[in-house]
Amino acid sequence: DTEVTQTPKHLVMGMTNKKSLKCEQHMGHRAMYWYKQKAKKPPELMFVYSYEKLSINESVPSRFSPECPNSSLLNLHLHALQPEDSALYLCASSQGGGGSPYEQYFGPGTRLTVT
Amino acid sequence: ELKVEQNPLFLSMQEGKNYTIYCNYSTTSDRLYWYRQDPGKSLESLFVLLSNGAVKQEGRLMASLDTKARLSTLHITAAVHDLSATYFCAFLYNQGGKLIFGQGTELSVKP
Repeated sequence: DTEVTQTPKHLVMGMTNKKSLKCEQHMGHRAMYWYKQKAKKPPELMFVYSYEKLSINESVPSRFSPECPNSSLLNLHLHALQPEDSALYLCASSQGGGGSPYEQYFGPGTRLTVT
Repeated sequence: ELKVEQNPLFLSMQEGKNYTIYCNYSTTSDRLYWYRQDPGKSLESLFVLLSNGAVKQEGRLMASLDTKARLSTLHITAAVHDLSATYFCAFLYNQGGKLIFGQGTELSVKP
């Protein structure tokens, strides 16, 4: 199984809502990543989890809160978002921990719209 | 500064012709990746280039890596419509497995 799954596919939320994005992989990968991608731009790294510990936080605002409950699952909790946070949120995973040279496999993404 | 420059950023191709995308990166790395992204979709891994002189081919696409020049190229042979997409190169910055992406090259193949 070489798949990263993400739910939901689409999410519309108000600025006062709390929601979560979910990412799952069953490839035995030990590094998991959250990226944000705006239209016509490359993905921007947000967080890296390596062996279930947060290893990189790219100075992301605290309204985004990642969580890695186990080696297969990665969540992104959202609270008090702004309209400019509307984007495609991509999850990825790779073999080894963060820093390993293995390619990252990307999930299909969650299209988030903040109203 | 960690930077990747792709050029061109837009490429309008004619079917049947050959083209090359260039990817220059700013710091030493021997891990270079090419991804394809269709509109509204996720990133699909095309090539992983792991050493100087590496060359990989899949169908009409061929990627190469020159780590000394910090340059990777993606060569397209006899372009066809279904190659229309955005192509990203990315190099692996050794600190924590951070991928540094180029701006992307938007390819459009016209008949």
